[in-house]
Amino acid sequence: QKEVEQNSGPLSVPEGAIASLNCTYSDRGSQSFFWYRQYSGKSPELIMSIYSNGDKEDGRFTAQLNKASQYVSLLIRDSQPSDSATYLCAVNEGRDDKIIFGKGTRLHILP
Amino acid sequence: ETGVTQTPRHLVMGMTNKKSLKCEQHLGHNAMYWYKQSAKKPLELMFVYSLEERVENNSVPSRFSPECPNSSHLFLHLHTLQPEDSALYLCASSQEWQGAREQYFGPGTRLTVT
Repeated sequence: QKEVEQNSGPLSVPEGAIASLNCTYSDRGSQSFFWYRQYSGKSPELIMSIYSNGDKEDGRFTAQLNKASQYVSLLIRDSQPSDSATYLCAVNEGRDDKIIFGKGTRLHILP
Repeated sequence: ETGVTQTPRHLVMGMTNKKSLKCEQHLGHNAMYWYKQSAKKPLELMFVYSLEERVENNSVPSRFSPECPNSSHLFLHLHTLQPEDSALYLCASSQEWQGAREQYFGPGTRLTVT
C-alpha cells in the first residue's frame, strides 16, 4: 500500500516566521509532487508542483524535493494569519501513476 | 474561482432517493476526477476520466455511477446511498491524466444521507 505521510498538526507558527511543512512518501518511483492548501469548509487549492530534486520558489512559498530521502517539504516565509489552513501533500504512485493525497497538516499562524 | 463549478453545493437525500452531482470545467482540460473527502481521512480518488473515457475506478460501490458526456462535463449519479456516504464530494480537472497533473478543484458538494 503506497502512502503519503504528513504530521496532522496543528503546527503553530508566529506571524512573520517561517512555516515548514513536511511530507514523506513510500514509492521510490514517484515523479510528481504537489502541495495544496485547503481552508476550512473549502476545496483544495493548488499552491506548488515540483518534479525535480532541489528547491522551487514561488513568492513566499518554496517547495523542496529530496527523492533519495523520499520527502518533500513546503516552506512559507513571512507567515501571515491568512496562511492558516490545512496543507495537503500529493504524490503520484509510480507504478499505477495514481495521485495519492496525504491527510494534511493543519497550520495555525499566531498573530 | 478555479474554472471548475459544481452543483448543487449542498444536498440532503434519503437512502432511497436518486440524485446526481454535476461538474463543469471551463479550463479546456482533458482529464476530470471525482474525489470523496470524509472527516479525518485523506482525499479518496473515486473515478478518473480522460477524454471522456473512464481510466480509473477505485473499487467504488455501484451505488455511485459516473458519467462523462464530453470533456467539459462530469456527473456522479447517486442511488440507494448509505449514511456513511455522507461526505464532501469534489470534482477536479487537469490538463492531462498523465503528464501535466496539476489538478484544479471545484467547490464541492456537501452530501448528507439520512
